[in-house]
Amino acid sequence: GQQLNQSPQSMFIQEGEDVSMNCTSSSIFNTWLWYKQDPGEGPVLLIALYKAGELTSNGRLTAQFGITRKDSFLNISASIPSDVGIYFCALPNNNDMRFGAGTRLTVKP
Amino acid sequence: NAGVTQTPKFQVLKTGQSMTLQCAQDMNHEYMSWYRQDPGMGLRLIHYSVGAGITDQGEVPNGYNVSRSTTEDFPLRLLSAAPSQTSVYFCASSRGINQPQHFGDGTRLSIL
Repeated sequence: GQQLNQSPQSMFIQEGEDVSMNCTSSSIFNTWLWYKQDPGEGPVLLIALYKAGELTSNGRLTAQFGITRKDSFLNISASIPSDVGIYFCALPNNNDMRFGAGTRLTVKP
Repeated sequence: NAGVTQTPKFQVLKTGQSMTLQCAQDMNHEYMSWYRQDPGMGLRLIHYSVGAGITDQGEVPNGYNVSRSTTEDFPLRLLSAAPSQTSVYFCASSRGINQPQHFGDGTRLSIL
């Protein structure tokens, strides 16, 4: 099956810093999704990308669908304490959905 | 706005016991799915359904059964619980597989 790699595994940053994380796949996909999971809750959709090269923002979050259709990145600008959580990329393919292993973000005030 | 509702939130079972995790959604979504989340492994798809009466296996289906008799409900059954099934289970729904999924808050299951 396709390989989906997400990095970094974890990040410890100071409040106000910018953050970048990315996912790469071994196959080409038509959709990239980015989710955030707060402690004790289910994942919540942040950004959906449907076109190669697409750059989409949601407040302080920006995500891009790589031009090769095999990668995507998520940036968070000017981080705040409530950005703490686990961020997942996800790829829907036919009737299957694969998630990256997640990037655990810790923000120090 | 209930969204996706999972019950129970927590459960402890003994090895060999059976259990049904409930999932209901009120958004009239056709696609529903079950995932398990283990530390460092993200979410892995167990079973999914593209509509009432239709179910199929995901990445890790062994030890689990599902049924979809109505659009709203998608229960997950553990027939004979094993310690390896200790995990957090999430149910999700969406209008279709390529559409963003809405997740429940999870069921934390421990098998002793």
